[in-house]
Amino acid sequence: GAVVSQHPSWVICKSGTSVKIECRSLDFQATTMFWYRQFPKQSLMLMATSNEGSKATYEQGVEKDKFLINHASLTLSTLTVTSAHPEDSSFYICSALRTSGVGTQYFGPGTRLLVL
Amino acid sequence: KQEVTQIPAALSVPEGENLVLNCSFTDSAIYNLQWFRQDPGKGLTSLLLIQSSQREQTSGRLNASLDKSSGRSTLYIAASQPGDSATYLCAVSTNTGNQFYFGTGTSLTVIP
Repeated sequence: GAVVSQHPSWVICKSGTSVKIECRSLDFQATTMFWYRQFPKQSLMLMATSNEGSKATYEQGVEKDKFLINHASLTLSTLTVTSAHPEDSSFYICSALRTSGVGTQYFGPGTRLLVL
Repeated sequence: KQEVTQIPAALSVPEGENLVLNCSFTDSAIYNLQWFRQDPGKGLTSLLLIQSSQREQTSGRLNASLDKSSGRSTLYIAASQPGDSATYLCAVSTNTGNQFYFGTGTSLTVIP
């Protein structure tokens, strides 16, 4: 089956630092990847759509300069939370849309970010 | 913009009961609908995927139905077990599978 990994799974950082989260499709190519954020006891909210080789598309209300997304290859997308603050503490989940075949997204296990 | 709602928000049942979780969406122009399970602090586990042309999918004790015209889906869990305790999320996608919109989730507790 298709596998998506995220690294790190847990990160704790001080306020003001930047944190990079990686999302990898391990056994398939993904032209498109998605980044979601989930606050405690809430559902997942789409943050941005990441397309290989082009700029990401951000959802309304998501600051593109704060959440930098890079999709440099068909198997890797990164999300960098710049100058993180406590309110950025959340569970970040990525998903990858398989290039071959249609309509199936495969989700990563998530990265929990805690900003002190 | 697509809005997805799940009812109830929380459900507690004794072991062995059959139960139904509900999902409704505002825009019937969906590509597919998917039900997920999420354990506390964990990622998503895909349970069932229903394409827009399908009416239901079954996997073991789980059965999901889709009524696209009315904007509804149900997840039926037969003979519930304590291990079924988790949050269940439904999500609909548009545009050939892109752009997943998630529901608010139903937190299920199955009491032994």
